[in-house]
Amino acid sequence: DAKTTQPPSMDCAEGRAANLPCNHSTISGNEYVYWYRQIHSQGPQYIIHGLKNNETNEMASLIITEDRKSSTLILPHATLRDTAVYYCIVLLRGGSNYKLTFGKGTLLTVNP
Amino acid sequence: GAVVSQHPSWVICKSGTSVKIECRSLDFQATTMFWYRQFPKQSLMLMATSNEGSKATYEQGVEKDKFLINHASLTLSTLTVTSAHPEDSSFYICSARGGLAGATGTQYFGPGTRLLVL
Repeated sequence: DAKTTQPPSMDCAEGRAANLPCNHSTISGNEYVYWYRQIHSQGPQYIIHGLKNNETNEMASLIITEDRKSSTLILPHATLRDTAVYYCIVLLRGGSNYKLTFGKGTLLTVNP
Repeated sequence: GAVVSQHPSWVICKSGTSVKIECRSLDFQATTMFWYRQFPKQSLMLMATSNEGSKATYEQGVEKDKFLINHASLTLSTLTVTSAHPEDSSFYICSARGGLAGATGTQYFGPGTRLLVL
């Protein structure tokens, strides 16, 4: 699976958009980009995933560059409850090696 | 999204005893379940993957005789930490995948079980 690079930490003001970047320059054509977050002392929470097109759901938007070498997770109106570690994971769906492995992620701190 | 539960949410035990943690998928059938461990200030580490009715596949460095995994049904997996020692104290998190998407579905996580071995 392709390796990802994320900044270790970011800050965001409450009510503003939080834009979390992820680099995955070695991504292959069939690998998906997944985003999860982990609020302190809880299990990870699925946010969104995509392959090529931009995706949006009730939690966030995922913007994937045309060359697929990077992506950005956007929380449109961050709240204090969005403070968490955000993980960007790239992997191939299906097959014997289809399992999530976590890097260090980005600690997003939303400030009042 | 799909709901995964774990029980207990926390457990304290004496060194040398065994502890069983249950993981259930509440609203979907989990063809594959995963067990992770997380030490303080570290990321999640995958311990093992199990498919319903099959033996679990353990990651390198994880002792299969110490961490017994059973995935006997499509909604239940158990992790038993045998002869627990203080170094086994950690946050154990299960994950499940399945439902209509089957083998290509999304992984959903339980809330975690905090184990403290005295």
